[in-house]
Amino acid sequence: DAGVIQSPRHEVTEMGQEVTLRCKPISGHNSLFWYRQTMMRGLELLIYFNNNVPIDDSGMPEDRFSAKMPNASFSTLKIQPSEPRDSAVYFCASSFPPGTGELFFGEGSRLTVL
Amino acid sequence: GENVEQHPSTLSVQEGDSAVIKCTYSDSASNYFPWYKQELGKRPQLIIDIRSNVGEKKDQRIAVTLNKTAKHFSLHITETQPEDSAVYFCAALSGNTPLVFGKGTRLSVIA
Repeated sequence: DAGVIQSPRHEVTEMGQEVTLRCKPISGHNSLFWYRQTMMRGLELLIYFNNNVPIDDSGMPEDRFSAKMPNASFSTLKIQPSEPRDSAVYFCASSFPPGTGELFFGEGSRLTVL
Repeated sequence: GENVEQHPSTLSVQEGDSAVIKCTYSDSASNYFPWYKQELGKRPQLIIDIRSNVGEKKDQRIAVTLNKTAKHFSLHITETQPEDSAVYFCAALSGNTPLVFGKGTRLSVIA
């Protein structure tokens, strides 16, 4: 398996633009997590899904952030409109079974909002 | 919910010395405690984990200890090498909720 695949690896955009980050979890994993990493806050859990269903989105900072998982092999994290304070590395991770196993992280998407 | 505190935030050691990173957790129901290593510009990766029915676990130069009564666990790295330089995260898991991570420790091994 190729592991968790994220795209894009790097994104530079201007304030106000829409940003879409994509994630393909490891096949067979039924839990998917979106994290944001900054120097100040460390690894923050934004939202997670079990069997494609959003379970807890309390970590999503604002309504500008939204996430979807239309099927077991694809998830998106969208920021609209983006702001400079959204600049961070966004990691997607998957695991199986939910809550009891190792988390496998993708390479991350480094977002810079100018 | 669970809260994980990690100390120190930065740690510098001479090559060959030992390094110890400590974490405390708040939820007595937590039963799984992994440690992740994140090299510069890379993803976090699991290096060792321990479950609540075990007090200590070793894997070559790294070991983890768990004190359930005091609700703390530690990572020990012996004979440190430059390639051990990274950010290390502890985490705790309770039931089916997601892992809760500590803020991380930046370890620098000085050759």
